[in-house]
Amino acid sequence: EAQVTQNPRYLITVTGKKLTVTCSQNMNHEYMSWYRQDPGLGLRQIYYSMNVEVTDKGDVPEGYKVSRKEKRNFPLILESPSPNQTSLYFCASRSQGPTEAFFGQGTRLTVV
Amino acid sequence: AQSVTQPDIHITVSEGASLELRCNYSYGATPYLFWYVQSPGQGLQLLLKYFSGDTLVQGIKGFEAEFKRSQSSFNLRKPSVHWSDAAEYFCAVGEEDSNYQLIWGAGTKLIIKP
Repeated sequence: EAQVTQNPRYLITVTGKKLTVTCSQNMNHEYMSWYRQDPGLGLRQIYYSMNVEVTDKGDVPEGYKVSRKEKRNFPLILESPSPNQTSLYFCASRSQGPTEAFFGQGTRLTVV
Repeated sequence: AQSVTQPDIHITVSEGASLELRCNYSYGATPYLFWYVQSPGQGLQLLLKYFSGDTLVQGIKGFEAEFKRSQSSFNLRKPSVHWSDAAEYFCAVGEEDSNYQLIWGAGTKLIIKP
């Protein structure tokens, strides 16, 4: 089954404790991205990757890091989480060009 | 700057009534247009998309949308809503010049009255 898998689904952590949210896709998609969703703000892109070893900042990259060492994986790293990073996070993937994006189930992160 | 506007934050309709969710965009070139649905606790699922051709597109779950270039709109419609349609709906626009990066509207939450 074609899918994007995020882990964990829920995470509560404390300020400053490094964490990683994993994202994996099995569709051989070149393009992957991370979004955060906050009420009334829709989806805002954090980082994206057009292919292996190619990453770029989205609209709200501050406080986040990503890597793309393999085509299927695109982890999101919060080196020192802060309460304003409490949000719902989505990973998405798609082929190059004007194609449908496939989304993971989301990760609800709470930073206290 | 490119933008996507969904003017209605919430919409409440009675079960069985018709539905129209509005989406307006500002883009110079021909946009690629999408509607996604997010059910509670779920990820986003594609309802339908418009790339070219017939401006009235059919999607899943009985939804359709019409691209009107003169109005820069891509409104989503359904003739008769079901309680299971309660969800949040997002309009998104991509453009070739920006590698089809999607710009998202803020979403419209659909509430169904029994």
